[in-house]
Amino acid sequence: DSGVTQTPKHLITATGQRVTLRCSPRSGDLSVYWYQQSLDQGLQFLIQYYNGEERAKGNILERFSAQQFPDLHSELNLSSLELGDSALYFCASSDGGGKGYTFGSGTRLTVV
Amino acid sequence: SQELEQSPQSLIVQEGKNLTINCTSSKTLYGLYWYKQKYGEGLIFLMMLQKGGEEKSHEKITAKLDEKKQQSSLHITASQPSHAGIYLCGADALWDSWGKLQFGAGTQVVVTP
Repeated sequence: DSGVTQTPKHLITATGQRVTLRCSPRSGDLSVYWYQQSLDQGLQFLIQYYNGEERAKGNILERFSAQQFPDLHSELNLSSLELGDSALYFCASSDGGGKGYTFGSGTRLTVV
Repeated sequence: SQELEQSPQSLIVQEGKNLTINCTSSKTLYGLYWYKQKYGEGLIFLMMLQKGGEEKSHEKITAKLDEKKQQSSLHITASQPSHAGIYLCGADALWDSWGKLQFGAGTQVVVTP
């Protein structure tokens, strides 16, 4: 157990639907990062939050959004889902100082 | 943004043999991380290197950081079936934004009997 908890582990949904992925960071970590891993794109950075505020954005689609709550857990919302959104979505956390990142076990999203 | 190039893309090694994976950055490396991933599973942290010339070892895995060359290498001695998986290098993109990891495409390692 890495200390970063992601739920659910697996998700199957239809095109056009909306889903929410949840991440609880390691205790004491203020930063949360979201990554998407697909077969053809590798591990791509999506977005980062630090203590509730958005800090950095990567290749995140407008259909996707995220937030970090006061208790520091984060949610990644994916809407108007397309087949190409099928991927592993990882959450990572750090203390914010760039001195180590801990990854969760991921959520496997399958869009049918 | 920074690009990290890993080589080789994949390799097959006989059990007991050594192997080396390289990770080259297009920009200065401030922090270099090595992770291992079993297909479809989470990332397991292996090592973090921050200083030029730094070398770290854990069991049979050694990683080095050549800051001048903007390159890191991961060396596995006497490979075992448990070493099979995808190895990913990641770098702190501090020049781009505040502390996020960007990754190479990964190196798939297969260990044969």
